[in-house]
Amino acid sequence: GESVGLHLPTLSVQEGDNSIINCAYSNSASDYFIWYKQESGKGPQFIIDIRSNMDKRQGQRVTVLLNKTVKHLSLQIAATQPGDSAVYFCAENKEGKLIFGQGTELSVKP
Amino acid sequence: DAGVIQSPRHEVTEMGQEVTLRCKPISGHDYLFWYRQTMMRGLELLIYFNNNVPIDDSGMPEDRFSAKMPNASFSTLKIQPSEPRDSAVYFCASSLTALGEVGYTFGSGTRLTVV
Repeated sequence: GESVGLHLPTLSVQEGDNSIINCAYSNSASDYFIWYKQESGKGPQFIIDIRSNMDKRQGQRVTVLLNKTVKHLSLQIAATQPGDSAVYFCAENKEGKLIFGQGTELSVKP
Repeated sequence: DAGVIQSPRHEVTEMGQEVTLRCKPISGHDYLFWYRQTMMRGLELLIYFNNNVPIDDSGMPEDRFSAKMPNASFSTLKIQPSEPRDSAVYFCASSLTALGEVGYTFGSGTRLTVV
């Protein structure tokens, strides 16, 4: 039978609040990072990306912050909505390929 | 564009059977990727192609797994013989570039259950 799986880290926020999802990456040589959103039953969907020559990049309601010193990436979602409920993955460029992190499940309470 | 199209959406098969998963990438995308997703391992890159040529198959778990891309609009991932531990969601993704600037486009996945 199938092994018991790990539970994803979960972030629960109130609708309208800001959300911050964190990610630690492993390769100090990585120069490109992407955040993906995966809704239940669907494939991952591109949200926003950032190159290592930047510390911050903003999109519509989302901001990605990159701290190369501690190899940390974060995704900030402003005014979180129920439609933001999903699993969020960071991905890093590792040896020319995009490698995905474990993921964080965001749950938005109405 | 209809996006990346995968078939079937769900597959249930018995241990030992051959399973073939199919993918149609977005037209014009030169890169095609096969990923496997499980709770234990997350999203794992199995293999990717550039212009129909396999570039890196280091993620393919073992010889039971094989992937082909006979033309720019079609790829298959085959498992023979299948085992219960192969149960997972298999995603195909395509991109204009290897790193997917503006992101890879993923299909909806094939949920494989091997009993």
